[in-house]
Amino acid sequence: DGGITQSPKYLFRKEGQNVTLSCEQNLNHDAMYWYRQDPGQGLRLIYYSQIVNDFQKGDIAEGYSVSREKKESFPLTVTSAQKNPTAFYLCASRDRPVVGNEKLFFGSGTQLSVL
Amino acid sequence: SQQGEEDPQALSIQEGENATMNCSYKTSINNLQWYRQNSGRGLVHLILIRSNEREKHSGRLRVTLDTSKKSSSLLITASRAADTASYFCATVSGGYQKVTFGTGTKLQVIP
Repeated sequence: DGGITQSPKYLFRKEGQNVTLSCEQNLNHDAMYWYRQDPGQGLRLIYYSQIVNDFQKGDIAEGYSVSREKKESFPLTVTSAQKNPTAFYLCASRDRPVVGNEKLFFGSGTQLSVL
Repeated sequence: SQQGEEDPQALSIQEGENATMNCSYKTSINNLQWYRQNSGRGLVHLILIRSNEREKHSGRLRVTLDTSKKSSSLLITASRAADTASYFCATVSGGYQKVTFGTGTKLQVIP
């Protein structure tokens, strides 16, 4: 069954703690993306990666970090520097950037809350 | 920052009516896409229109693109209760294929 798996579905963070959200895809896609969605709002781009060992900051990268050591994995760490981390986090992937491959495939999301 | 701004923010219609939502964006694009999101779920791709296209159809969906006005519209014809969801436009730009989303339109279709 091909797709994108995000885990955990719900995550709680204590003050001053770093937490890592997992995103794994078995679609053999080159590009992966992380978005943050606040209640009733649109998606804001945190980080994205076109190939292994390379990634770019999105519009709201401060307080977050990522790695892309394997093609199928793009974990997102929410650091203690992110003062307002409560949000719904969505991971997405896309095949090579050629005509016909432009659409994103999304995971089911992780809801992060602060204790 | 949001690349796209959508209006209306919310739309409530009766089943069978048409629903139109609009998206405006700021920078030049490679293509524009529309996605649907059911509450608490991931997004699902609906339709893509390229920067050199003006109109595209897919089933009950019709998308237009006006690059001179940096705007797009999504029309859902003969709406159904199952169309109730949030709809987002997304623009793809740049060599790194940055994909940014609009603020979304929340559509409610009343049976």
